[in-house]
Amino acid sequence: DQQVKQNSPSLSVQEGRISILNCDYTNSMFDYFLWYKKYPAEGPTFLISISSIKDKNEDGRFTVFLNKSAKHLSLHIVPSQPGDSAVYFCAASASQGGSEKLVFGKGTKLTVNP
Amino acid sequence: GAVVSQHPSRVICKSGTSVKIECRSLDFQATTMFWYRQFPKQSLMLMATSNEGSKATYEQGVEKDKFLINHASLTLSTLTVTSAHPEDSSFYICSASPSNYEQYFGPGTRLTVT
Repeated sequence: DQQVKQNSPSLSVQEGRISILNCDYTNSMFDYFLWYKKYPAEGPTFLISISSIKDKNEDGRFTVFLNKSAKHLSLHIVPSQPGDSAVYFCAASASQGGSEKLVFGKGTKLTVNP
Repeated sequence: GAVVSQHPSRVICKSGTSVKIECRSLDFQATTMFWYRQFPKQSLMLMATSNEGSKATYEQGVEKDKFLINHASLTLSTLTVTSAHPEDSSFYICSASPSNYEQYFGPGTRLTVT
């Protein structure tokens, strides 16, 4: 049972345009969501997060939107740059005694073409 | 800040031997550390949650006697793969958390068992 789903395994966009990466979850206990960026053979790098009490969080070119009723979140990257090319993982956490356990999606490979 | 290191970055061992992987939080204390495994083109799978001074909590399906985890201090956790077999070959990644939710990941360790 996959609790965090990233249904698009890959996405290709032109430099300067917007990249939109989507993520759906099924567990209503999740209350904190994170996006990570990962290059091959490296550990994930934390990008941005959002608490369930918010519906939007912005950090520079990165914005995460959360739609709790739809159990859906998305990461917007504007403008996209070739250096953004990587695999992006969506992750979710539930406040289970502060266990901090993260559940990851399978990732979306973003390619930004010059 | 929030740097996590792993050592070694790559290791090749013979079948039947044991391999130890270290995970260190360099500039913060982490009460909890996590160990993940990533198969090619797949998501990060949580193996176990490691709490300083207590036994690790293993995810379902992970053999605790095969994957020994020790969280000796607030900045160091080790994963020992005992009696390694070729199917244990994988990319192992640790993470550490200085707060309740964010996790910062190490660069990963590529284990190849021949």
